[in-house]
Amino acid sequence: SQTIHQWPATLVQPVGSPLSLECTVEGTSNPNLYWYRQAAGRGLQLLFYSVGIGQISSEVPQNLSASRPQDRQFILSSKKLLLSDSGFYLCAWGRGGWMNTEAFFGQGTRLTVV
Amino acid sequence: QQQVKQSPQSLIVQKGGISIINCAYENTAFDYFPWYQQFPGKGPALLIAIRPDVSEKKEGRFTISFNKSAKQFSLHIMDSQPGDSATYFCAASIQGGSEKLVFGKGTKLTVNP
Repeated sequence: SQTIHQWPATLVQPVGSPLSLECTVEGTSNPNLYWYRQAAGRGLQLLFYSVGIGQISSEVPQNLSASRPQDRQFILSSKKLLLSDSGFYLCAWGRGGWMNTEAFFGQGTRLTVV
Repeated sequence: QQQVKQSPQSLIVQKGGISIINCAYENTAFDYFPWYQQFPGKGPALLIAIRPDVSEKKEGRFTISFNKSAKQFSLHIMDSQPGDSATYFCAASIQGGSEKLVFGKGTKLTVNP
């Protein structure tokens, strides 16, 4: 069975510090990978998605970047965090091609920028 | 248009009542409509999904009703329980096409005991 791991679960970082959130998927190959952000009481905002190694599409211009160094690894980064980067970050994977339907989410990272 | 409009934003229901959440879409190319359930501090989890070739799908107390001509679909939770209290998201996608799900903004459901 497929599983998705996302860490850390919670993170408190000062303004101007760097960020690295990691997500890995097990039990599947060549998944579509996604980073979402969910502000308090808000919906799911798609930040980045990737259909393959080194292939990153950005949905929203911002202070963040994403990388996919391996097939089942997706990393969300920032060089200098802003207060507005606080939120609940969710990694998700999905099957590509004709099986493209659901997204399967990790447990999320609660980021607080202080 | 890629937007999926979800209503209401919040919903309070008494235990045993029926919870109804509605979604509407514009893109007639959408052909898969999942619903997600999210408990506080957790990631969303797939709850139930429907394809436009059927008008209704039921799984236990959860039912999706789909109206293709109106481009609307809804989630009904029968005999709502306090444990159903969560945020619910509808979504839409195009199989074999778009790589991304389009989500509604979510409905926070509270079921009072």
